[in-house]
Amino acid sequence: QQPVQSPQAVILREGEDAVINCSSSKALYSVHWYRQKHGEAPVFLMILLKGGEQKGHDKISASFNEKKQQSSLYLTASQLSYSGTYFCGLQSAYGGSQGNLIFGKGTKLSVKP
Amino acid sequence: SQTIHQWPATLVQPVGSPLSLECTVEGTSNPNLYWYRQAAGRGLQLLFYSVGIGQISSEVPQNLSASRPQDRQFILSSKKLLLSDSGFYLCAWTGRVAYNSPLHFGNGTRLTVT
Repeated sequence: QQPVQSPQAVILREGEDAVINCSSSKALYSVHWYRQKHGEAPVFLMILLKGGEQKGHDKISASFNEKKQQSSLYLTASQLSYSGTYFCGLQSAYGGSQGNLIFGKGTKLSVKP
Repeated sequence: SQTIHQWPATLVQPVGSPLSLECTVEGTSNPNLYWYRQAAGRGLQLLFYSVGIGQISSEVPQNLSASRPQDRQFILSSKKLLLSDSGFYLCAWTGRVAYNSPLHFGNGTRLTVT
């Protein structure tokens, strides 16, 4: 089951904040976040392994609510370089085919000057 | 350091022609290897994954196949391409313990079937 990402697209001015949500109908083992620039391969941002875990990467952070089966990506004081499409990848179990990441459809983020 | 090579970068093929995309990983041993496809403006769809030489698992039924003849080589093939095979194909690897290992993607192959 493909995770659901929201919003599908968001436009920001430099310095504004944004939140991207990712939810699943299945119990989650881990959540991955990736960013893809147009025409390029996705680039890894972070993994969250435990329920309630929060991680940060510069001004980009994420939380993982295992009970609600969802994760949120927080972008604060956005920069032009944050533009791209953000994907969450969910892992529903450890090992085997269930250990493979299933990605959402992505959230397109555009940061304007 | 680990690197992943994928080629060709772009490919235009007629319907019914064969396909072979190759991916190699350097700087690591026993990686898990993956083929993903991304249709225009869409998400990442897992096609195949492999945990070892000759071990291939298919996630989506289609006219594509994959092979892993060597530990760090992964090949995506088709005998006869369809228009619907057009897309951006990405090879990726993770460490053996995949649950805490990020996916490292190659630069991708943009395939257009005409």
